[in-house]
This record gives sequence, C-alpha cells and structure tokens, in this order.
Amino acid sequence: QVQLQQWGAGLLKPSETLSLTCVVYGGSFSGYYWSWIRQPPGKGLEWIGEINHSGRTNYNPSLKSRVTISLDTSKNQFSLRLTSVTAADTAVYYCARRVPIGSGLRFDPWGQGTLVTVSS
Amino acid sequence: QTVVTQEPSFSVSPGGTVTLTCGLSSGSVSTSYYPNWYQQSPGQAPRTLIYNTNTRSSGVPDRFSGSILGNKAALTITGAQADDEAEYYCVLFMGSGISVFGGGTKLTVL
Repeated sequence: QVQLQQWGAGLLKPSETLSLTCVVYGGSFSGYYWSWIRQPPGKGLEWIGEINHSGRTNYNPSLKSRVTISLDTSKNQFSLRLTSVTAADTAVYYCARRVPIGSGLRFDPWGQGTLVTVSS
Repeated sequence: QTVVTQEPSFSVSPGGTVTLTCGLSSGSVSTSYYPNWYQQSPGQAPRTLIYNTNTRSSGVPDRFSGSILGNKAALTITGAQADDEAEYYCVLFMGSGISVFGGGTKLTVL
C-alpha cells in the first residue's frame, strides 16, 4: 500500500520561496506522475503540477513561471518550490500520485496536506 | 483558460437521490477527459470516489455512480446517507498534461 508523507515550512513571509517535500513509502516511482495540488482556506482544489520518474514535468499555466517540481529517486521523494509567494498562496498543499491512463487515471493516494501561511 | 463548472451547493434528503454535474465553460465533457470525482470532508484530504467516468474506487459504496449526462460528467448518489454530507470535486484531464479541478459542490443531507 503506497503512502505519501509530506513536510515543509508552514509560515512564510511575502516574496519568500515555498518549499515542500513528499516521500513515497511502499511503492515505485516508475510509471506514475507525482503531483502537487493546493487548496486555499475555504476554497476549492487547484492542480499545481506534476513530474514523472524521468523528470518530465507539467505545470498549471497560471503558476508555471513560479513553480518547480523535482524528484530524488534515490530518496523516493519529490519536491515543490514556489517562488515569490504572496498571501494568495496561503493554502493547504497536498502531494498525490497520479495513476496513468492504463491503470485508471486518478489522483491516489494523497498526502496528509500541509498548511502554508504567507503573512508579514 | 479552461474552467470546469460545478454546482456550488446541493441539498438532498436522507434516502434520496442527487446528481451532481461537472461541465466545461466551453465545450462538452466526454469520457476522453477521464472524469474523476472526489469526496472531501472538513479537515481531510480528498478521497477518490469515481475515476474513468464511472469506475468506483476500491471500498466506495455502490450508491455512488458516475456517468456522462448530456454534455457533462455526473455523479449520482442513490439513497443518500448523513455521512455523504461533504464537498465533492470533479477533475478533468485535458490531454495536454494539464488537470483542471472544478470549484466543488457542497452537499447537504437534511
């Protein structure tokens, strides 16, 4: 059973860089895309982007200029960097595995979520 | 900019049937978008209910079903229960590596 556990700084000041990491337990990196999704307080889910085991990335066009997703296969983990944060980036950030089309395209499982607050 | 539309809120009586929909601001939703449905309770991570339009995720009761109705994806709950009260999100996979979530539907069971 694959499980995702995530961590990172929970309080940032405007203009700082958000950095989160998600470690994958009990499964292989290969064959999947590894995703980040966020949810501002009281609002809906927003897909941020993803990376596959080869390092190929896809990003939300609205965030692309500020987002970098990377992976470290030796540590079974992948990371999110979001630069120049503002209060609008305050959200619960989730990591998730995206299962490929041939196996039932979906986000599953999800990490536990990390609340990141941007405040001066 | 692709916008995925959902009803902001819906209400259903216990034991009743409700259908939530997932549309596109421009165009029709088809199985080619592999629509997913997620259930989220307060303070929890989303839980996968339906993928590939109509495939129930492991452990999901059969009162949840997915389909395409007209030009939208649909999630139908038959025999709603109190613990079905939650936020429901759809996501469409746009085929260009981009995934787009709908704004969510808050379902009240009363």
